[in-house]
Order: sequence, then structure tokens, then C-alpha cells
Amino acid sequence: DTAVSQTPKYLVTQMGNDKSIKCEQNLGHDTMYWYKQDSKKFLKIMFSYNNKELIINETVPNRFSPKSPDKAHLNLHINSLELGDSAVYFCASSTSGGANTGELFFGEGSRLTVL
Amino acid sequence: QKEVEQDPGPLSVPEGAIVSLNCTYSNSAFQYFMWYRQYSRKGPELLMYTYSSGNKEDGRFTAQVDKSSKYISLFIRDSQPSDSATYLCAMKRAAGNKLTFGGGTRVLVKP
Repeated sequence: DTAVSQTPKYLVTQMGNDKSIKCEQNLGHDTMYWYKQDSKKFLKIMFSYNNKELIINETVPNRFSPKSPDKAHLNLHINSLELGDSAVYFCASSTSGGANTGELFFGEGSRLTVL
Repeated sequence: QKEVEQDPGPLSVPEGAIVSLNCTYSNSAFQYFMWYRQYSRKGPELLMYTYSSGNKEDGRFTAQVDKSSKYISLFIRDSQPSDSATYLCAMKRAAGNKLTFGGGTRVLVKP
């Protein structure tokens, strides 16, 4: 009964490949996010969706494309992977009120290594 | 210069000691301030949030915000080995959903 679940947890791939990470939340939240955590532990927002509508799209290469089929799911597809894409990608969710106060629920992360 | 600065540590304390963590920031528009705890290979989990300046206490945890100095703190009393983790501060403006995180401070509580 994991609240925010991401798959896969680990991903090792070659440069130039395309990969996807999936996220699902069973908390009934209406807002979902993708954050990227680099090797120095800095978490940086990439995208946010509210009720399937994109509301935050940070300066991210257009090789990264999020997709929210419904408000419980948010996927991340990455084309033409580069070495610099190696990081831990976290999915998170919140209520609309929680989004306002910063109360996010994070998944356990998907560790991407690009060789 | 990052918008939110946090000493990466590690901060090593004996069990039972008070852990003192802090962040400084440069953007005076930040209104909400959070502390997240992240265990190794896990996602961050929210410990506390505060709005604007002031103190907030929850069990062994106390968060303080001094907006005039652009400085926030988290104190952990009676620290336990299970408190060993990375502590991330985060903050946001009044409007919008974007959180800006510090880089985290790694804390080690030794038995």
C-alpha cells in the first residue's frame, strides 16, 4: 500500500537510448511532480501537473517529456539520454492545499545511470 | 550563488545531544519554509513547515524562521541514532507550487 510508487527503482542504460519512468500515487492527490536530485543532493523541480494539466515546466531540455494520463499517474519519458542525465528522479504528489504549504509526498526515487 | 544555502556536513553528534541545523536564503519572496528528512536511498519526507517568521514545535523538533535575517533553523532535541539522515530545507513563495531546496545537511548521531 505504498503511497507514491515509482518504477523502475534502478535504471542503467547507454547514451543515446530512450527510457521511461512511471509514477503512481494512491493518496487521492490532485497535484503531481517530477524532481531531479543531482549528486550533490540538490533537488530541483522539473514538472508539475494539477488534475492532468501541466502547471510547472522548468527549464528542462525538451528531451524530457512528462505525461499524465490521469491524476493518479505521472510518467517521464527521456529521449536521447546523455551522461548528464544521470541522477535520481523523484516523483511526488500533494493536495492543492498541500502544494501551497509545501507538503509533498515523495516516492523512493528512480536512480538513472547513463553510461 | 544558490538561492538557498545549506552546509552539507556531515554533522556528527553523540546520542542525546541537540542537533542544530540551518539554512540561509536570498529571495525575500519566500513565505513558506519546510524541513524534509531523507534517509539513504529513500525519498524525502516532510518533518515540519512554517509560514512566515516565528517558531513551531512538534515533539523533539523545533523550527525557527527569521525572515529579517533570511535564516531558518531546525533543532532536534534528545537526538537518536534513528535521526541519522540528510536534512533538507525547502521554501516557496506565497503563490505557485515550486519548492526551492537546499542541498541538505548530513547528520550522524552516534550511540
